[in-house]
Amino acid sequence: GDSVTQMEGPVTLSEEAFLTINCTYTATGYPSLFWYVQYPGEGLQLLLKATKADDKGSNKGFEATYRKETTSFHLEKGSVQVSDSAVYFCALSEPLFGNEKLTFGTGTRLTIIP
Amino acid sequence: GAVVSQHPSWVICKSGTSVKIECRSLDFQATTMFWYRQFPKQSLMLMATSNEGSKATYEQGVEKDKFLINHASLTLSTLTVTSAHPEDSSFYICSAPGQGTDIQYFGAGTRLSVL
Repeated sequence: GDSVTQMEGPVTLSEEAFLTINCTYTATGYPSLFWYVQYPGEGLQLLLKATKADDKGSNKGFEATYRKETTSFHLEKGSVQVSDSAVYFCALSEPLFGNEKLTFGTGTRLTIIP
Repeated sequence: GAVVSQHPSWVICKSGTSVKIECRSLDFQATTMFWYRQFPKQSLMLMATSNEGSKATYEQGVEKDKFLINHASLTLSTLTVTSAHPEDSSFYICSAPGQGTDIQYFGAGTRLSVL
């Protein structure tokens, strides 16, 4: 079955540091890949996505590239801010199979220190 | 953007009672909604897919009679935890796919504490 393996947290960085959160996946078909973010007290919201190999999703300074050869979708940001403190979830779905269900990684809690 | 409202955000109940959680799509219609359970420091585990006008589809290992799902309209799905016990204490989250998109919109979640 499908699965997502995500970098264990928590991660603590200083403001303006470079961020990488690793994510790898296993899927039977050609999944769409997502990063969702959960800010304190709020619901999950989409951060970025990519639907096919070599696509790069980007939003709010975050980027992730769909790497089919390494089955990875690592999240990166060049200079983090305190407001980026949240829990980040890597996820996949297989829409071509009519499957809207999301399979999530375990989540990575990120804390940015001023 | 699309908004999903979940209510209540926090509920405390006695063991043996039932609790209903509502999930509403506020500005779009959702023929399908998803219910997740999130344990502390763990990922979201899909419990069931709620289908408007038909029976819900439950994931393996989820008790249908314990977690009753009703999707009576295109904007409302409810999850009822029946005869709740302390082991049912958890964070329950719903989501709905945006129309014509593969993006899911999530409610803020409901924290259930069973005493």
